[in-house]
Amino acid sequence: QVQLVQSGAEVKKPGASVKVSCKASGYTFTGYYMHWVRQAPGQGLEWMGRINPNSGGTNYAQKFQGRVTMTRDTSISTAYMELSRLRSDDTAVYYCARRGPLVLYMDVWGKGTTVTVSS
Amino acid sequence: QSALTQPASVSGSPGQSITISCTGTSSDVGGYNYVSWYQQHPGKAPKLMIYDVSNRPSGVSNRFSGSKSGNTASLTISGLQAEDEADYYCSSYTSSSSYVFGTGTKVTVL
Repeated sequence: QVQLVQSGAEVKKPGASVKVSCKASGYTFTGYYMHWVRQAPGQGLEWMGRINPNSGGTNYAQKFQGRVTMTRDTSISTAYMELSRLRSDDTAVYYCARRGPLVLYMDVWGKGTTVTVSS
Repeated sequence: QSALTQPASVSGSPGQSITISCTGTSSDVGGYNYVSWYQQHPGKAPKLMIYDVSNRPSGVSNRFSGSKSGNTASLTISGLQAEDEADYYCSSYTSSSSYVFGTGTKVTVL
């Protein structure tokens, strides 16, 4: 079955970087875009950007430009999201979500990775 | 990009129908038929309930329906059930090739 398995929880200090992974299975990894969405405690969903695993092309939300980097390793069907210069308000659950090539909605989501930024 | 506007909470009794609104602009909701709705239970990942304004993915109950008029999209849940109690988020594709989510609505089954 289609599955996105994310890496485990992280605790980071302000100013550090975090890299979250998302391993895809049950479908052709390069055939679907991968999006990243985050959710701060008690808050709503926030779109961060997406990567085309086939080409490596990315599109980031303006808010995260310069701080986020999305990459992929097609040999292991895994997408990565790295966020740098972490602040306390980056504390959130980070989700990866799949989007088909000819559609504009996210149909399969990972379970989320909790990132806590604290000194 | 500002978040789409949703009511903070909506409630209804079992068996009733409720509607959640999602208001954006001509650069997102009003400009494209690419509105989707997600259900999120506490501590869980979002689940796709409606895509492209009014389409249901396989496996989603036909009690869920979507529509759009101008810059406002709506999600209707008919025959409300206890399991429908959750947070609901709308999302839209935007003119800047990005996505924007709604502020979220907590649905309570009385």
